[in-house]
Amino acid sequence: EADIYQTPRYLVIGTGKKITLECSQTMGHDKMYWYQQDPGMELHLIHYSYGVNSTEKGDLSSESTVSRIRTEHFPLTLESARPSHTSQYLCASSDRDRQETQYFGPGTRLLVL
Amino acid sequence: DQQVKQNSPSLSVQEGRISILNCDYTNSMFDYFLWYKKYPAEGPTFLISISSIKDKNEDGRFTVFLNKSAKHLSLHIVPSQPGDSAVYFCAANSGYALNFGKGTSLLVTP
Repeated sequence: EADIYQTPRYLVIGTGKKITLECSQTMGHDKMYWYQQDPGMELHLIHYSYGVNSTEKGDLSSESTVSRIRTEHFPLTLESARPSHTSQYLCASSDRDRQETQYFGPGTRLLVL
Repeated sequence: DQQVKQNSPSLSVQEGRISILNCDYTNSMFDYFLWYKKYPAEGPTFLISISSIKDKNEDGRFTVFLNKSAKHLSLHIVPSQPGDSAVYFCAANSGYALNFGKGTSLLVTP
């Protein structure tokens, strides 16, 4: 079982605020990912990282940004939150030798008013 | 363009019976497939996977079947238990990320 943590679990915030969603994993996995999911829909990849100082945009365009300064930490930042950013954000990681299997954190439910 | 499709949004099964969840894909380059289980307000939990070189993988009550010619895979849960009630996502590996279906909500009734 993977150990991957996300904070906060729930966040209600006003339009225009800057927010950072935290994601940490303790398995030493090289690859990390951020997905966005709306109810009843598939997970959409918004960012991923192959390792420290590596970040790539995913298939779904997102106004968020990410950084990977440490292997275990992959935070996602929204500079100015809008109601359209309301969603569930899921962080995942995978081992370089078993890249196919991704392990997910519990997610952050974001509501922007 | 969705490359992984789960055409049944929901499924209801009696406890003890078999649950069969289906998934179709369009990209023949996918070489690894996974099933995840998800409860509301939680992250997906990895269940079982299968490589494209196999046609079956079994883990306890869970079995995944892959039919490459039909680009179809299925997850069988036998016997189904009330605790299996959740949303099940099919996913396929594209080389750098997973492509997910929209999920099937399984309800196992006592």
